[in-house]
Amino acid sequence: AQSVTQLDSHVSVSEGTPVLLRCNYSSSYSPSLFWYVQHPNKGLQLLLKYTSAATLVKGINGFEAEFKKSETSFHLTKPSAHMSDAAEYFCVVSDGGSSNTGKLIFGQGTTLQVKP
Amino acid sequence: DAGITQSPRHKVTETGTPVTLRCHQTENHRYMYWYRQDPGHGLRLIHYSYGVKDTDKGEVSDGYSVSRSKTEDFLLTLESATSSQTSVYFCAIRALTGTSGYEQYFGPGTRLTVT
Repeated sequence: AQSVTQLDSHVSVSEGTPVLLRCNYSSSYSPSLFWYVQHPNKGLQLLLKYTSAATLVKGINGFEAEFKKSETSFHLTKPSAHMSDAAEYFCVVSDGGSSNTGKLIFGQGTTLQVKP
Repeated sequence: DAGITQSPRHKVTETGTPVTLRCHQTENHRYMYWYRQDPGHGLRLIHYSYGVKDTDKGEVSDGYSVSRSKTEDFLLTLESATSSQTSVYFCAIRALTGTSGYEQYFGPGTRLTVT
C-alpha cells in the first residue's frame, strides 16, 4: 500500500532564503508523486508532479522537487522564498499498478511560514 | 479551475439531518472523487466514481453515500449527519494531460458544520 510522510508539520523561513519541505513515500509500484499547495481558505493547486520521466521536476512559481528512489524521498525546494509562498503544502502519491484508479494518498501537510 | 463547481459552498446543519453536496464538472471527465480535509490529516478519499453509476469506496466512506446519474454530476450524501463529519469537502476530477499522464484538479470546497 502507498503512504506518504511529510517530515515537518511547520517550516518557518525568512523572505529570500531557501525553502526545503521534506517528503518520504512508500509504494509497491513505481509511483506518481505530486506536490499541491493550498493558500489560506483556498482550494488546492498542483505545483508539480513526477511520473517516472526526469528525476528533477520543475513546477510553477520557482519550485522544484527531486525524486530519489534510493531514499524514497521527494523533497520540495525553492531557492528564494517569497511572502506569497506562505501556505500549506501537501505531498501526494497516486495509486498505480493494474488498478490505476487515480486515488490520491495525501501527506499530513506542511505549513510554510515566510517572515519578512 | 478545470470547470469544477461545488454547491453549496457553506452549510450548517443539525445532527441527524441528511445533507447532500453536489459537484458539477463541465469537461466530461470520467473519474470524479470526493475528499474531506481535516487538520493534521491532509485530504482523505471518501468515494470515487469511474463512470455513470460506477462508484467505489475510499479510505473514509463510513456514513457517506454517493451517486452519479450523469457524467457531469457527482453527489455526496450524509444520510444522518454527525459532528464528526464537520469538515471541508473537496471534489476532484482526473484529467489526462498530454504525454505526462493524469492530474487531479480540485473544486473550491464546501465547508460543512454539523451542530
